[in-house]
Amino acid sequence: DIQMTQSLASLSASLEEIVTITCQASQDIGNWLAWYQQKPGKSPQLLIHSATSLADGIPSRFSGSRSGTQYSLKISRLQVEDTGIYYCLQRYSNPWTFGGGTKLELK
Amino acid sequence: QVTLKESGPGILQPSQTLSLTCTFSGFSLSTYGMGVGWIRQPSGKGLEWLANIWWDDDKYYNPSLKNRLTISKDTSNNQAFLKITNVDTADTATYYCARIGLGDVMDAWGQGASVTVSS
Repeated sequence: DIQMTQSLASLSASLEEIVTITCQASQDIGNWLAWYQQKPGKSPQLLIHSATSLADGIPSRFSGSRSGTQYSLKISRLQVEDTGIYYCLQRYSNPWTFGGGTKLELK
Repeated sequence: QVTLKESGPGILQPSQTLSLTCTFSGFSLSTYGMGVGWIRQPSGKGLEWLANIWWDDDKYYNPSLKNRLTISKDTSNNQAFLKITNVDTADTATYYCARIGLGDVMDAWGQGASVTVSS
């Protein structure tokens, strides 16, 4: 199975700050990576697919990038509504696997 | 507008079979490239992918659940189903279904169905 490692379990940042959340794949997954945001008591929402493509209706302050097997989700100017848990998901091969999640809080 | 809604028994006893239904609208599982996936999340923990079913009835399962999973669909009624046999307390979780759109993206999720396994 491909392991997806989100090294930071939690992250605290200030309003308007630039935030980067990372996800490391245990092997090459190409661009078969998506990012999701989950708020308390809610289902996950797709933010980024294909490593860098912004999902419909998602603010442009969110962006995704890839460097080899490391993937990053960047929030250019953190807003109050961006708090939550962020998960990466690889769908390169079965079983699809999620990262452990990074909880983003406001400082 | 794509919507999905999960339904299940709420509570069941160890060793029973869990049956979940995903009722959706806004897309068809007979359309090329479409799929439905099932994911679960124990309270306070992360997400675990369980299974996918595709428009052509292709199916994929998470091997970590060994042979306990069965996914199926009813295209005419816009429903997908997941059965988990021989449940135990470790299967207590919120179960989500999600549409898998073109490009294999889980782009819309249901609100989740809470399932508790308890004697």
